[in-house]
Amino acid sequence: EMQLVESGGGLVQPGGSLKLSCAASGFTFSSYWMHWVRQAPGKGLVWVSRIKSDGSITTYADSVKGRFTISRDNAKNTLYLQMNTLRAEDTAVYYCARGGVNDILSGFSVWGQGTLVTVSS
Amino acid sequence: QSVLSQSPSASGTPGQRVTISCSGSSSNIGSNSINWYQQLPGTAPKLLIYHNNQRSSGVPDRFSASKSGTSASLAISGLRSEDEADYYCAAWDDSLTGWVFGGGTKLTVL
Repeated sequence: EMQLVESGGGLVQPGGSLKLSCAASGFTFSSYWMHWVRQAPGKGLVWVSRIKSDGSITTYADSVKGRFTISRDNAKNTLYLQMNTLRAEDTAVYYCARGGVNDILSGFSVWGQGTLVTVSS
Repeated sequence: QSVLSQSPSASGTPGQRVTISCSGSSSNIGSNSINWYQQLPGTAPKLLIYHNNQRSSGVPDRFSASKSGTSASLAISGLRSEDEADYYCAAWDDSLTGWVFGGGTKLTVL
């Protein structure tokens, strides 16, 4: 069974940092683009970042550019999101999702259960 | 404000056919394929349709989708109570160099 399991969420003060992890299983992790998508409480889905299968390409939404860093360890089948200089508006459930081998032609076919990040003093 | 526009709500009675629309621009829907997601209450999103009109594995053929120009639509026929969920469209945006989602449509089965 294909599975993604996020961890690392929690309560952090404004200006603080947090690192999310997403453990993948049941598929060849190293073959796929991977993404982070977030959802603020009661709001819609917002794409955050993506990384190519070999880690050679990363892309970010303008709202997180320069503050968040996506990375992956294909040997550990794990995706990461390092979040720095956190703001109240970053409060959301963060989902990791599997893209395709060719990202733009594929949907996000596997999703994790999400991890909640709350930025508050 | 989302880059892709969706009506906030839609509704129908069991057995009915409902349509959810998604409007974008030449940089997203107009030049790239569109995907549709279903999010049941309290759960993670699920891919319903990819590449404009391809049903994801296990998705019943009651769900169909189409695209024309810079707009797209998701149709659900034979509406069931379990279809009550939020539905999102998404596409790659060449100008923003990123994925964009619609604001979501909350479907209520009356």
